[in-house]
Amino acid sequence: GQSLEQPSEVTAVEGAIVQINCTYQTSGFYGLSWYQQHDGGAPTFLSYNALDGLEETGRFSSFLSRSDSYGYLLLQELQMKDSASYFCAVPPGGYQKVTFGTGTKLQVIP
Amino acid sequence: ETGVTQSPTHLIKTRGQQVTLRCSSQSGHNTVSWYQQALGQGPQFIFQYYREEENGRGNFPPRFSGLQFPNYSSELNVNALELDDSALYLCASSRTSGGAGGTGELFFGEGSRLTVL
Repeated sequence: GQSLEQPSEVTAVEGAIVQINCTYQTSGFYGLSWYQQHDGGAPTFLSYNALDGLEETGRFSSFLSRSDSYGYLLLQELQMKDSASYFCAVPPGGYQKVTFGTGTKLQVIP
Repeated sequence: ETGVTQSPTHLIKTRGQQVTLRCSSQSGHNTVSWYQQALGQGPQFIFQYYREEENGRGNFPPRFSGLQFPNYSSELNVNALELDDSALYLCASSRTSGGAGGTGELFFGEGSRLTVL
């Protein structure tokens, strides 16, 4: 089976940096993805890490450590529009389902 | 805009009824996955269709069934609705069914919000 655990809620100040953690237990691990979902909206793909290390995409970065079964999403220069839920996910390798984590609700405050 | 459209956006049913939800995938995508998302939870995998065949299923009973059509659009059918079926149902399309080495990037529609009374 597969399980991915995240903190349920995080609050951070506009302009600051926030880190959202994800620990996972999976069989047949291929990499870790991150999705953003605003209230009432569709999840949207943010990033994917197949290898250990940091991947940077603008204000967002994602990190993976396979040996620790751990990853995180780093959001810099937080903006109010970043208030949303963030999900880590294990993508398919072969013909498997995508399993999503429990989700972290980020609230950005002025 | 992901190019994935779902209908209806909202619907209300009563316990025991049946419902059909529809999804048009993004152009060029041959794989459709369906997810159930309860309030405050992550999406839960229901099943996936690849080239009109079911290609993987999550822990959902047989009263959840689906179809994929030659144009890669898809339907989710739920029979004998129960109160716990109330959720947001998300359709996601992708270019392949996952394939080794793929990122697994999914393109989601806005979902169908089902309320069962």
